[in-house]
Parts: sequence; C-alpha cells; structure tokens
Amino acid sequence: AQTVTQSQPEMSVQEAETVTLSCTYDTSENNYYLFWYKQPPSRQMILVIRQEAYKQQNATENRFSVNFQKAAKSFSLKISDSQLGDTAMYFCAFMKLSGGSNYKLTFGKGTLLTVNP
Amino acid sequence: DGGITQSPKYLFRKEGQNVTLSCEQNLNHDAMYWYRQDPGQGLRLIYYSQIVNDFQKGDIAEGYSVSREKKESFPLTVTSAQKNPTAFYLCASSPGTGNNSPLHFGNGTRLTVT
Repeated sequence: AQTVTQSQPEMSVQEAETVTLSCTYDTSENNYYLFWYKQPPSRQMILVIRQEAYKQQNATENRFSVNFQKAAKSFSLKISDSQLGDTAMYFCAFMKLSGGSNYKLTFGKGTLLTVNP
Repeated sequence: DGGITQSPKYLFRKEGQNVTLSCEQNLNHDAMYWYRQDPGQGLRLIYYSQIVNDFQKGDIAEGYSVSREKKESFPLTVTSAQKNPTAFYLCASSPGTGNNSPLHFGNGTRLTVT
C-alpha cells in the first residue's frame, strides 16, 4: 500500500515571502501521479499542481512549483510571493496507475499554512 | 454549470440512526469516490465506484454502504454500525479513463451524530 507523509502539521510565512511544504511518499510503483491540493476555510478542495512520475521536469503553475525527486520519493511544494489567500490546508496526494485500484488518491495528513500580513 | 453537488451542507442525527449523504455530478464522469476527513487525519477513502452498478471498499469502509444505480449519483449511507460517524464527508469524481485527470470534489457535508 502507498503512504504519503507530510511532516509539517503547521507552517507560517510572511506575505510576499517564499515557503516550501514537504511531502514524501512510499511506493513500489514506477508509474504514478502526484498532486497538491489546497483546502481553504471554505473546505472546498482545489487542485494546485500535478506531476507525472515519468517526467523529470518539475511542474510549475504561476507562483506554485514543485521539487520532484523520484529516487528520494520526495515531492515538495514551493509557493513564491505568498498571498493572504494562500492561507489554507495543503494536502499532498498520490495516485497509482496500475492494478485494479486506478485513479483513487491516497492523501497525506495535510499542512496548515498561514500567511501573515 | 458542471460540478458535484453534495447535500445537505450540515446534517445532524441521533446515535443509532442511519443517515444517507447525497452526491450528484453532472460532469459525465465514470468514477466517483467518498472520502472522510477528520482533524489531523487527512482524507481517507471510504468507497469508490469506477462504473455504474459496481463499487469497491476503500480503506475505512466498515459501517458505511453505497450504491451506484445511476452514473450521476453515488449516495453514501452511514449506518449505526459506524462507531465514530461525526466527520466531514467529501464526494469526488473523475473521468476514470486512464488519464491523469485529478479528482473533482464537492463542497462536503458535515455530519454530527449525538
């Protein structure tokens, strides 16, 4: 079974600064996807960024980028120029692509990020 | 406007009663999922369905039941056998056709059992 570990239960950052959230995972699979989801106080789950394991290039989406280290099974999220609206719970998630349980996501326990003015 | 609708937003029940949470999607997605969220626990998979009339247990299926009679609907019943039913429940869907489409989530239902 896959496991996803987010070792930082809470983090804070000053507005306009950069913050990195860590995520490690354990799997014997070679073909999979990784995601970061954001859950603001409204509790709506919002996709932030995704990464295909077969791609060496790190994914970027505007102010959000990842550092994907496949050998180390690490998938950190960097948020640049932090904004007050980035305050949310952030979840790292893993999706394997083989076997009978395709497409279901395994989530980490989350990191609560607070952006301070 | 395509999306996933969960109703109601808040639900209150007495211990010992079964309760059904609604989840409807108009995205024409094949796969649907139910997750439970507890503080400090992240999201844990209860049940999922990859096609109509078929579903599989997730990691914490005990005390729950589902049905998938229609493509757009995937209701979750929390039975009296579920020992700790108070939680936030999230429904999700995906095309489920071998691509990397992420899950689309509903807005959730907060269930409180007293």
